[in-house]
Amino acid sequence: AQSVTQPDIHITVSEGASLELRCNYSYGATPYLFWYVQSPGQGLQLLLKYFSGDTLVQGIKGFEAEFKRSQSSFNLRKPSVHWSDAAEYFCASGGNTPLVFGKGTRLSVIA
Amino acid sequence: ETGVTQSPTHLIKTRGQQVTLRCSSQSGHNTVSWYQQALGQGPQFIFQYYREEENGRGNFPPRFSGLQFPNYSSELNVNALELDDSALYLCASSVTGAGETQYFGPGTRLLVL
Repeated sequence: AQSVTQPDIHITVSEGASLELRCNYSYGATPYLFWYVQSPGQGLQLLLKYFSGDTLVQGIKGFEAEFKRSQSSFNLRKPSVHWSDAAEYFCASGGNTPLVFGKGTRLSVIA
Repeated sequence: ETGVTQSPTHLIKTRGQQVTLRCSSQSGHNTVSWYQQALGQGPQFIFQYYREEENGRGNFPPRFSGLQFPNYSSELNVNALELDDSALYLCASSVTGAGETQYFGPGTRLLVL
C-alpha cells in the first residue's frame, strides 16, 4: 500500500532563511507527487506537482521540490522564507489512485 | 473560472443525527473526491465519484455515503453521527485521467457533540 512520511512534525525558521521540508513515499511504481499548503482553518492549496520528466519542479510562491527516486524522496524547498509562509504543509502521493497524505509539517516563521 | 466551493462552512450536530455536506466542482471537472481531516492529521480518503457512480472508497463505514449529480456537484451524507466524526471535511474536484490533479475546496468543519 502507498504511504507518505513527513518526518518533521514542526519546523521553525527565521524570516529570510532557507527552508527544506522532507517527504518520503512508498509506492510500487513511479508515483505522482504533490505538495499542498493549508493555512489555519482553510482548505488545501496546491503548491506543485511531479508527474514525470525533470526531477526539479517549480511551484507557486517561490517553492520548488526535487524528486529523488533513489531516496524515495520529494523534498520541498524555498530559498528565502516569508512570514506569510507560516502554515501546515502536506506531501501527497497518487497516480490513478486516491491521494495518500502525510501527517503534515507545521512551519513557524520567526522574525 | 470558479473554484471548488463547499457548504456549509461550519456545522454543529449531536451524536446520532444525520448530516449532509455539499460540494460544487471546479468548472470542467468531472470527478469529486471527499476526504476527512481530523485535528492534527492529514486528510484521509473517504470516496470518489465519477459519472454519478462511486469510483473508489477508503476505509470508512457504510454510514458515510455520497451522491454526484449530473452537473458534477456532490453531497456527502453521514448517518448516525459519532463523536469521532468531528473533523474538517474536504471536497476535491479533478478531471479523470492519468495523474489528475485534485483541487480542494475550503472544507466544512463538523463538530459532533
